[in-house]
Amino acid sequence: NAGVTQTPKFQVLKTGQSMTLQCAQDMNHNSMYWYRQDPGMGLRLIYYSASEGTTDKGEVPNGYNVSRLNKREFSLRLESAAPSQTSVYFCASSGIAKNIQYFGAGTRLSVL
Amino acid sequence: QKEVEQDPGPLSVPEGAIVSLNCTYSNSAFQYFMWYRQYSRKGPELLMYTYSSGNKEDGRFTAQVDKSSKYISLFIRDSQPSDSATYLCAMRKTGFQKLVFGTGTRLLVSP
Repeated sequence: NAGVTQTPKFQVLKTGQSMTLQCAQDMNHNSMYWYRQDPGMGLRLIYYSASEGTTDKGEVPNGYNVSRLNKREFSLRLESAAPSQTSVYFCASSGIAKNIQYFGAGTRLSVL
Repeated sequence: QKEVEQDPGPLSVPEGAIVSLNCTYSNSAFQYFMWYRQYSRKGPELLMYTYSSGNKEDGRFTAQVDKSSKYISLFIRDSQPSDSATYLCAMRKTGFQKLVFGTGTRLLVSP
């Protein structure tokens, strides 16, 4: 069972570079989420998508864009990376019944 | 002030001890409460899910919710070294999808 798959697992960027983090789920979930996790800050919601074709800002959306490509895939883009975006990024998905969120393994991003 | 407060630890206990992990919250509208376990360099995984007040037991784990005090707890009986991880509490309001997370408590169980 794959669940939620994130790519890449690790990435190092220079300030100003752009990149896209990919996320795919195979659980037929309607909702998908992007979080960042920083020491002492816990998990903070960047963007979420309640259903295919919709996206909404979370707690910390500045500097990020998202695309809900289809029901399975939800990507996060950094247009011009900054050192403050060094973090671990998690994608999650949830179904309708209990709205339990299932997480991917994370992407460790360093911006130099 | 954060909506959800959680002591970051670390909490160090010997194998076999009973562990108590706690979160407090300020928003009385929260109705769904969860505990996630996160091993080092892994994603969070759901451990316990409860609705409103009361207790829920699953093996060595018991989740307790006291809405009158805005306080939730996770008890781990007969703790094992494999329980060493960070434990995150999370909660949400009815009709809302977004979860609000605590910062996590790091637990270390020594053999």
